[in-house]
Amino acid sequence: DVKVTQSSRYLVKRTGEKVFLECVQDMDHENMFWYRQDPGLGLRLIYFSYDVKMKEKGDIPEGYSVSREKKERFSLILESASTNQTSMYLCASKLGGTYNEQFFGPGTRLTVL
Amino acid sequence: GENVEQHPSTLSVQEGDSAVIKCTYSDSASNYFPWYKQELGKRPQLIIDIRSNVGEKKDQRIAVTLNKTAKHFSLHITETQPEDSAVYFCAASKGAGSYQLTFGKGTKLSVIP
Repeated sequence: DVKVTQSSRYLVKRTGEKVFLECVQDMDHENMFWYRQDPGLGLRLIYFSYDVKMKEKGDIPEGYSVSREKKERFSLILESASTNQTSMYLCASKLGGTYNEQFFGPGTRLTVL
Repeated sequence: GENVEQHPSTLSVQEGDSAVIKCTYSDSASNYFPWYKQELGKRPQLIIDIRSNVGEKKDQRIAVTLNKTAKHFSLHITETQPEDSAVYFCAASKGAGSYQLTFGKGTKLSVIP
């Protein structure tokens, strides 16, 4: 049974703070993803990683960076949090290749005040 | 880049009726089309997917059809039940062989008992 976990379910931060969101998967998946989910906008890809230390920008990378030092862990970093980054953040992982299912984590609801 | 349009944004049906959700995509090279279901407060989960070399796929009460010429695909749910109430997302691979998905904005389905 695939398990994708995220470090926090709810997080409240102040404008300008550096924020770390962590995602861990236990199924040896090559690919990992960070999305943000906003009402009426669906799931938008921020960054993804196809292997350790490898990363690619998604559709909305501005204001974010990522780190993948170990295969099971993918971190999303907000260098200087802003109020427009208040959102639900979802991590996902999958085996390499086009046709494999993405397994999502439970999400982190981030509020930036 | 790939663009996925999803309609309708909300859908209400009586229990036992059928529900249809439609998506269009822009990149003719896309070759993988999954559908995810997200119940309230939960993570998205894959319910069915289809590859570009197949026109239709069924799994019990759920079916997906794909029209490559028109670049659209649809989710059909028959004999709807209250537990089908959720937000449904369609997605398309970003071109052939891509690890990335582009998601539609979602359809909130309500099944009225």
